[in-house]
Amino acid sequence: AQSVTQPDIHITVSEGASLELRCNYSYGATPYLFWYVQSPGQGLQLLLKYFSGDTLVQGIKGFEAEFKRSQSSFNLRKPSVHWSDAAEYFCAVWKSSASKIIFGSGTRLSIRP
Amino acid sequence: NAGVTQTPKFRVLKTGQSMTLLCAQDMNHEYMYWYRQDPGMGLRLIHYSVGEGTTAKGEVPDGYNVSRLKKQNFLLGLESAAPSQTSVYFCASSYLYGSPDQETQYFGPGTRLLVL
Repeated sequence: AQSVTQPDIHITVSEGASLELRCNYSYGATPYLFWYVQSPGQGLQLLLKYFSGDTLVQGIKGFEAEFKRSQSSFNLRKPSVHWSDAAEYFCAVWKSSASKIIFGSGTRLSIRP
Repeated sequence: NAGVTQTPKFRVLKTGQSMTLLCAQDMNHEYMYWYRQDPGMGLRLIHYSVGEGTTAKGEVPDGYNVSRLKKQNFLLGLESAAPSQTSVYFCASSYLYGSPDQETQYFGPGTRLLVL
């Protein structure tokens, strides 16, 4: 069954430092993958998505993610984080058998001044 | 455009009480969804609707009912609230369904529900 795992519950990085949030998926074929961000007190907002083609996907707010089939990963990256990036980040996969998005458990990102 | 709005923002219920959460969208989306968000569990789909007058069960439908009488509104009902239903509830809508290369879900700000 399709699923996603986010191994890090909480990450703290310094403002200006680089960021990488991990996401591993379980799926036989080429998955459809998403990253969403949830700012405090807000709903989720789509950052980026991958369906096919170039394995490096650019998203909003300066984020990018790289699909690596050999590692079953879809990690989210940002070269230099800003205090406003503090939020919870969700990786998700499209479950084709049910035509639904399945969300990971989320990674909370804190920014150290 | 207001996007997706949810009412109320916060509510406290006693066990056994009932309530209805309202979701409204002004984007003319066909598809609407109700999720619950619990710590360490991400978002889980409760019910969804692929059009006015239609609803379907998601992953965790027990204890909830929904209705989609108007295209722009999707109501989530709790007939007899239980402490296990303490959660943050999110509504979402999308223009397309079942087409992951085009679908983007737009989320509301959430309703925080506490059942005592």
